[in-house]
Amino acid sequence: GQNIDQPTEMTATEGAIVQINCTYQTSGFNGLFWYQQHAGEAPTFLSYNVLDGLEEKGRFSSFLSRSKGYSYLLLKELQMKDSASYLCAVRDQTGGFKTIFGAGTRLFVKA
Amino acid sequence: GAVVSQHPSRVICKSGTSVKIECRSLDFQATTMFWYRQFPKQSLMLMATSNEGSKATYEQGVEKDKFLINHASLTLSTLTVTSAHPEDSSFYICSAPDRNVAYEQYFGPGTRLTVT
Repeated sequence: GQNIDQPTEMTATEGAIVQINCTYQTSGFNGLFWYQQHAGEAPTFLSYNVLDGLEEKGRFSSFLSRSKGYSYLLLKELQMKDSASYLCAVRDQTGGFKTIFGAGTRLFVKA
Repeated sequence: GAVVSQHPSRVICKSGTSVKIECRSLDFQATTMFWYRQFPKQSLMLMATSNEGSKATYEQGVEKDKFLINHASLTLSTLTVTSAHPEDSSFYICSAPDRNVAYEQYFGPGTRLTVT
């Protein structure tokens, strides 16, 4: 089976940096995704990691360590509009490719 | 990027009736589509994998006779919630992977179902 853990909520200040951690257990790991979701909307793709290391894309970076079953999403220069839920998701190739989502981390950015 | 549409965006129905939700890939072909359900302040729960030309694969605990899935073409999958009850009220989201883009799946905008 799969298990994905991430913090329920985080609060950070505008302009700061925040790191959202995710740990996972899966039998057929085939990549890890981070999505952003605003309330009442569909998720939007942020990043994808399949190899160990850091992927940087503008203000957002994502890190993966497959041996540790660990990832983090780093958000720099926080803006108020970054207040949203951030979903860690793992693609599992066991029994066909499926993407399983963690419970999400609600990030509140305050002025 | 690729676009996935869903229709309707919102629907209100009476308890005991059935509701059909459509998911379309607009500019790419999708042999596989995924259906998720999301309750308020919770994450997306995978309900089933829709396969073009064959039966859908349902996740454990999801009733296949209640949530009918049909993937009639390479661009359309439908989810029918049969004999809906208030506890079926939720946000239903479909997604489709673009087979030409190895890792990314595209989400539809979601359908808010309210059963009264």
